[in-house]
Amino acid sequence: DIQMTQSPASLSASLEEIVTITCQASQDIGNWLAWYQQKPGKSPQLLIYGATSLADGVPSRFSGSKSGTQYSLKISRLQVEDPGIYYCLQGYSAPLTFGSGTKLEIK
Amino acid sequence: VQLVESGGGLVQPGKSLKLSCSASGFTFSSYGMHWIRQAPGKGLDWVAYISSSSGTVYADAVKGRFTISRDNAKNTLYLQLNSLKSEDTAIYYCARKGVDYWGQGVMVTVSS
Repeated sequence: DIQMTQSPASLSASLEEIVTITCQASQDIGNWLAWYQQKPGKSPQLLIYGATSLADGVPSRFSGSKSGTQYSLKISRLQVEDPGIYYCLQGYSAPLTFGSGTKLEIK
Repeated sequence: VQLVESGGGLVQPGKSLKLSCSASGFTFSSYGMHWIRQAPGKGLDWVAYISSSSGTVYADAVKGRFTISRDNAKNTLYLQLNSLKSEDTAIYYCARKGVDYWGQGVMVTVSS
């Protein structure tokens, strides 16, 4: 199975700050990487697919990048509505595997 | 796109339950579908996938106990949960093939 190592586990940042979350894949997954935001009591919402493509309706302050087998989600200017838990997902091969999540809070 | 799960509830260990996911807003028969679960306070775990042609694949933790199926005439996805264990307690979500759209989830609690 492909392991997705996500870091950090938690993060506290100030409004307007730049935030970066990373996922390291245990093997090559190409661009088969997605990022999700989950708020309490809600289902996850797609932010980024194909490692770098912004999902419909997602603010442009969210972006995804790839370097080798490391994938990053960047929030360029943290906003009050951005706290939640962020997950990465590899869709390259079954079983699909998620990162362990990053809890993002406003400082 | 709308996905609506139903069929959850409280069930005793060893018993069975069948979840449904009603799909609308897209051509259901053309898309593979996933079940994904989330134990209380925990992360996300992929459970099973069924292709548009009804090929299936399962997570090791549920293989042999859970069965994913679909009825294209009813635009409905199913998950049959047998031999339930306490560790199957979770919110169960259905999601479209690209894991782009998710339902609101349905709670399954396995407890005596």
